[in-house]
Amino acid sequence: EIVLTQSPGTLSLSPGERATLSCRASQSVSSSYLAWYQQKPGQAPRLLIYGASSRATGIPDRFSGSGSGTDFTLIISRLEPEDFAVYYCQQYSSSAWTFGQGTKVEIK
Amino acid sequence: QLQLQESGPGLVKPSETLSLTCTVSGDSISSTSYYWGWIRQPPGKGLEWIATIYYSGTTYYNPSLKSRASISVDTSKNQFSLKLRSVTAADTAVYYCARNYYFYNYMDVWGKGTTVTVSS
Repeated sequence: EIVLTQSPGTLSLSPGERATLSCRASQSVSSSYLAWYQQKPGQAPRLLIYGASSRATGIPDRFSGSGSGTDFTLIISRLEPEDFAVYYCQQYSSSAWTFGQGTKVEIK
Repeated sequence: QLQLQESGPGLVKPSETLSLTCTVSGDSISSTSYYWGWIRQPPGKGLEWIATIYYSGTTYYNPSLKSRASISVDTSKNQFSLKLRSVTAADTAVYYCARNYYFYNYMDVWGKGTTVTVSS
């Protein structure tokens, strides 16, 4: 099973700042099968990025994803008030899906 | 517009079986482009994938839950279901159903989730 480790656990930033979130895999992951989600309290996760770098429908271009192999990154270029949430990476490999433990982006 | 709705008991006793159903509306569960899956989230914790099924009945399970979980599909009702046997307090969580896009294996549409508490 591939383990995804996200860092940092919590990111304290102000609106307008840039957020950089990391997702590291225990083994190489196909870029096609790496996704990012946003989850706000009391809500279901929302797909942000798929295929490591493709934005899902309706996702603003301030969200961008990159990476390959074992290291992937989600960048929020300028934080808006609605972006403060928990972010999860997710991968698929060998008929199994796994999630990272999440990064909380909180208001500083 | 595609919607997924979880249903089932909110309270299950320890050692019993948790049973949930996800009703899909706005699309056919028999679509060849999608899988259908269950994910859970214990209080204050992260997301855990449980199981996924294709309309044909092909199933995939989280190895850590495989011995207790069972996922099934009813194409005539446009529903899929989860059973989790021998539950303990550790199975208390919000349970989500989700649509999984076959080619990229991401979950693009989620239900709102249903809270299941395991307690006597």
